Amino acid sequence: ETGVTQSPTHLIKTRGQQVTLRCSSQSGHNTVSWYQQALGQGPQFIFQYYREEENGRGNFPPRFSGLQFPNYSSELNVNALELDDSALYLCASSLAGGETQYFGPGTRLLVL
Amino acid sequence: SQELEQSPQSLIVQEGKNLTINCTSSKTLYGLYWYKQKYGEGLIFLMMLQKGGEEKSHEKITAKLDEKKQQSSLHITASQPSHAGIYLCGARNNNDMRFGAGTRLTVKP
Repeated sequence: ETGVTQSPTHLIKTRGQQVTLRCSSQSGHNTVSWYQQALGQGPQFIFQYYREEENGRGNFPPRFSGLQFPNYSSELNVNALELDDSALYLCASSLAGGETQYFGPGTRLLVL
Repeated sequence: SQELEQSPQSLIVQEGKNLTINCTSSKTLYGLYWYKQKYGEGLIFLMMLQKGGEEKSHEKITAKLDEKKQQSSLHITASQPSHAGIYLCGARNNNDMRFGAGTRLTVKP
Protein backbone atom coordinates (compact mmCIF):
# COMPACT_ATOMS: atom_id res chain seq x y z
CA GLU A 1 0.00 0.00 0.00
CA THR A 2 1.45 3.37 -1.05
CA GLY A 3 1.21 6.22 1.44
CA VAL A 4 0.48 9.88 0.73
CA THR A 5 3.27 11.58 -1.21
CA GLN A 6 3.84 15.27 -1.90
CA SER A 7 6.09 17.22 -4.23
CA PRO A 8 8.22 19.19 -4.12
CA THR A 9 9.62 18.87 -0.60
CA HIS A 10 10.90 22.45 -0.51
CA LEU A 11 10.22 25.52 -2.62
CA ILE A 12 11.40 29.12 -2.60
CA LYS A 13 9.36 31.78 -4.40
CA THR A 14 9.22 35.56 -4.46
CA ARG A 15 6.24 37.72 -3.57
CA GLY A 16 3.69 37.96 -6.38
CA GLN A 17 4.64 34.67 -8.03
CA GLN A 18 2.42 31.63 -8.41
CA VAL A 19 3.05 28.12 -7.08
CA THR A 20 1.63 24.63 -7.65
CA LEU A 21 1.98 21.89 -5.05
CA ARG A 22 1.15 18.26 -5.78
CA CYS A 23 -0.23 15.39 -3.74
CA SER A 24 -0.79 11.72 -4.49
CA SER A 25 -3.34 10.14 -2.21
CA GLN A 26 -2.99 6.83 -0.45
CA SER A 27 -4.06 3.86 -2.55
CA GLY A 28 -7.86 3.48 -2.48
CA HIS A 29 -8.54 6.95 -0.99
CA ASN A 30 -10.88 9.25 -2.95
CA THR A 31 -10.78 12.33 -0.72
CA VAL A 32 -7.93 14.81 -0.39
CA SER A 33 -7.70 17.68 2.08
CA TRP A 34 -5.11 20.47 2.11
CA TYR A 35 -3.80 22.26 5.18
CA GLN A 36 -1.46 25.17 5.84
CA GLN A 37 0.73 24.98 8.92
CA ALA A 38 2.60 28.09 10.03
CA LEU A 39 5.55 27.72 12.36
CA GLY A 40 4.47 26.85 15.90
CA GLN A 41 0.81 26.40 15.01
CA GLY A 42 -1.53 23.57 14.20
CA PRO A 43 -2.57 22.87 10.61
CA GLN A 44 -5.32 25.15 9.21
CA PHE A 45 -7.84 23.64 6.78
CA ILE A 46 -7.71 25.11 3.26
CA PHE A 47 -10.13 22.91 1.33
CA GLN A 48 -11.16 19.35 0.57
CA TYR A 49 -11.77 17.55 -2.74
CA TYR A 50 -13.99 14.53 -3.18
CA ARG A 51 -14.45 12.92 -6.58
CA GLU A 52 -12.91 15.93 -8.34
CA GLU A 53 -15.26 18.45 -6.69
CA GLU A 54 -14.50 20.92 -3.91
CA ASN A 55 -16.24 19.57 -0.82
CA GLY A 56 -15.61 22.21 1.81
CA ARG A 57 -13.39 25.23 2.21
CA GLY A 58 -11.74 26.98 5.11
CA ASN A 59 -11.11 30.67 5.60
CA PHE A 60 -8.66 31.17 2.75
CA PRO A 61 -8.93 33.70 -0.10
CA PRO A 62 -9.79 32.68 -3.69
CA ARG A 63 -6.14 32.92 -4.75
CA PHE A 64 -5.86 29.51 -3.07
CA SER A 65 -7.37 27.05 -5.54
CA GLY A 66 -7.20 23.35 -6.15
CA LEU A 67 -7.85 20.46 -8.46
CA GLN A 68 -8.43 16.78 -8.07
CA PHE A 69 -7.80 14.38 -10.93
CA PRO A 70 -9.57 11.13 -11.86
CA ASN A 71 -6.81 9.13 -10.16
CA TYR A 72 -7.59 11.18 -6.98
CA SER A 73 -4.24 12.98 -6.97
CA SER A 74 -4.54 16.68 -6.27
CA GLU A 75 -2.94 20.07 -6.78
CA LEU A 76 -2.92 23.18 -4.65
CA ASN A 77 -2.35 26.43 -6.54
CA VAL A 78 -1.57 29.71 -4.87
CA ASN A 79 -1.53 32.92 -6.92
CA ALA A 80 -0.05 36.30 -6.05
CA LEU A 81 2.10 34.88 -3.27
CA GLU A 82 2.45 36.91 -0.08
CA LEU A 83 5.13 36.70 2.59
CA ASP A 84 2.57 35.22 5.02
CA ASP A 85 2.06 32.28 2.68
CA SER A 86 5.38 30.90 3.90
CA ALA A 87 4.41 27.68 5.68
CA LEU A 88 4.37 23.90 5.56
CA TYR A 89 1.60 22.72 3.24
CA LEU A 90 0.16 19.35 4.09
CA CYS A 91 -2.20 17.16 2.17
CA ALA A 92 -4.16 14.33 3.70
CA SER A 93 -6.18 11.59 2.08
CA SER A 94 -9.06 9.55 3.39
CA LEU A 95 -11.55 6.92 2.20
CA ALA A 96 -14.33 9.47 2.43
CA GLY A 97 -14.90 12.89 3.92
CA GLY A 98 -15.63 11.63 7.41
CA GLU A 99 -12.91 9.05 7.72
CA THR A 100 -9.48 9.19 9.34
CA GLN A 101 -7.08 11.40 7.39
CA TYR A 102 -3.57 10.22 6.59
CA PHE A 103 -1.02 12.92 5.95
CA GLY A 104 1.83 13.32 3.51
CA PRO A 105 5.28 14.64 4.49
CA GLY A 106 4.43 18.19 3.43
CA THR A 107 5.91 20.84 1.17
CA ARG A 108 7.76 23.67 2.84
CA LEU A 109 7.19 26.94 0.97
CA LEU A 110 9.27 30.03 1.60
CA VAL A 111 8.14 33.31 0.05
CA LEU A 112 10.78 36.06 -0.11
CA SER B 1 -16.15 27.34 15.08
CA GLN B 2 -14.56 24.73 17.26
CA GLU B 3 -11.37 25.65 19.07
CA LEU B 4 -8.97 23.16 20.57
CA GLU B 5 -6.61 24.16 23.33
CA GLN B 6 -3.66 21.95 24.23
CA SER B 7 -1.66 21.99 27.41
CA PRO B 8 1.12 22.20 28.11
CA GLN B 9 2.59 23.98 25.09
CA SER B 10 5.89 22.22 25.68
CA LEU B 11 7.18 19.53 27.96
CA ILE B 12 10.66 18.31 28.84
CA VAL B 13 10.87 14.99 30.66
CA GLN B 14 13.60 12.60 31.66
CA GLU B 15 13.63 9.28 29.84
CA GLY B 16 11.54 6.73 31.70
CA LYS B 17 9.12 9.27 33.19
CA ASN B 18 5.38 9.31 32.58
CA LEU B 19 3.62 12.33 31.12
CA THR B 20 0.17 13.57 30.17
CA ILE B 21 -0.94 16.00 27.45
CA ASN B 22 -4.41 17.51 27.50
CA CYS B 23 -6.72 18.75 24.77
CA THR B 24 -9.82 20.77 25.60
CA SER B 25 -12.52 21.66 23.10
CA SER B 26 -14.77 24.73 23.08
CA LYS B 27 -17.59 22.58 21.66
CA THR B 28 -18.96 19.07 22.06
CA LEU B 29 -16.53 16.48 20.81
CA TYR B 30 -17.91 13.96 18.36
CA GLY B 31 -14.56 12.43 17.60
CA LEU B 32 -11.06 13.26 18.68
CA TYR B 33 -7.87 12.42 16.81
CA TRP B 34 -4.31 12.33 18.07
CA TYR B 35 -1.40 12.80 15.71
CA LYS B 36 2.36 13.00 16.20
CA GLN B 37 4.58 15.25 14.10
CA LYS B 38 8.33 15.32 13.84
CA TYR B 39 9.57 18.87 13.33
CA GLY B 40 8.75 20.07 9.80
CA GLU B 41 7.31 16.73 8.70
CA GLY B 42 3.89 15.25 8.11
CA LEU B 43 1.47 14.08 10.78
CA ILE B 44 1.46 10.46 11.87
CA PHE B 45 -1.95 9.12 12.94
CA LEU B 46 -1.89 7.70 16.47
CA MET B 47 -5.49 7.00 17.39
CA MET B 48 -9.09 8.16 17.20
CA LEU B 49 -11.62 8.29 20.02
CA GLN B 50 -15.32 8.50 19.28
CA LYS B 51 -17.33 7.70 22.38
CA GLY B 52 -17.36 9.31 25.78
CA GLY B 53 -15.26 7.32 28.21
CA GLU B 54 -13.46 5.57 25.38
CA GLU B 55 -9.84 4.68 26.02
CA LYS B 56 -7.36 3.36 23.49
CA SER B 57 -3.77 2.27 23.79
CA HIS B 58 -0.97 1.78 21.33
CA GLU B 59 2.30 0.53 22.75
CA LYS B 60 3.05 2.91 25.63
CA ILE B 61 0.60 5.62 24.58
CA THR B 62 -2.93 5.75 26.00
CA ALA B 63 -5.63 8.25 25.08
CA LYS B 64 -8.96 8.89 26.79
CA LEU B 65 -12.03 10.90 25.83
CA ASP B 66 -14.19 12.66 28.41
CA GLU B 67 -17.20 13.93 26.46
CA LYS B 68 -18.77 15.73 29.42
CA LYS B 69 -15.63 17.76 30.01
CA GLN B 70 -15.09 18.12 26.24
CA GLN B 71 -11.58 16.97 26.88
CA SER B 72 -9.11 14.30 25.86
CA SER B 73 -5.83 13.29 27.44
CA LEU B 74 -2.82 11.50 26.01
CA HIS B 75 -0.64 9.62 28.46
CA ILE B 76 2.80 8.22 27.74
CA THR B 77 4.23 5.64 30.12
CA ALA B 78 7.98 5.24 30.58
CA SER B 79 8.87 7.82 27.93
CA GLN B 80 11.67 7.14 25.46
CA PRO B 81 13.64 9.46 23.13
CA SER B 82 11.56 8.03 20.24
CA HIS B 83 8.47 9.65 21.79
CA ALA B 84 9.90 13.12 21.19
CA GLY B 85 7.97 15.31 18.76
CA ILE B 86 4.89 17.47 18.54
CA TYR B 87 1.58 15.94 19.58
CA LEU B 88 -1.51 17.40 17.96
CA CYS B 89 -5.14 16.80 18.78
CA GLY B 90 -7.72 17.26 16.05
CA ALA B 91 -11.53 17.25 15.92
CA ARG B 92 -13.92 16.88 13.04
CA ASN B 93 -15.76 20.00 11.93
CA ASN B 94 -18.02 18.99 9.02
CA ASN B 95 -15.61 17.98 6.27
CA ASP B 96 -12.50 19.49 7.75
CA MET B 97 -10.47 18.91 10.84
CA ARG B 98 -9.54 21.53 13.41
CA PHE B 99 -6.27 21.15 15.28
CA GLY B 100 -4.80 22.40 18.49
CA ALA B 101 -1.50 24.28 18.38
CA GLY B 102 0.37 21.19 19.53
CA THR B 103 2.47 20.11 22.50
CA ARG B 104 6.22 19.89 21.90
CA LEU B 105 7.68 16.95 23.82
CA THR B 106 11.40 16.60 24.52
CA VAL B 107 12.68 13.43 26.18
CA LYS B 108 16.11 13.72 27.77
CA PRO B 109 18.17 10.52 27.75
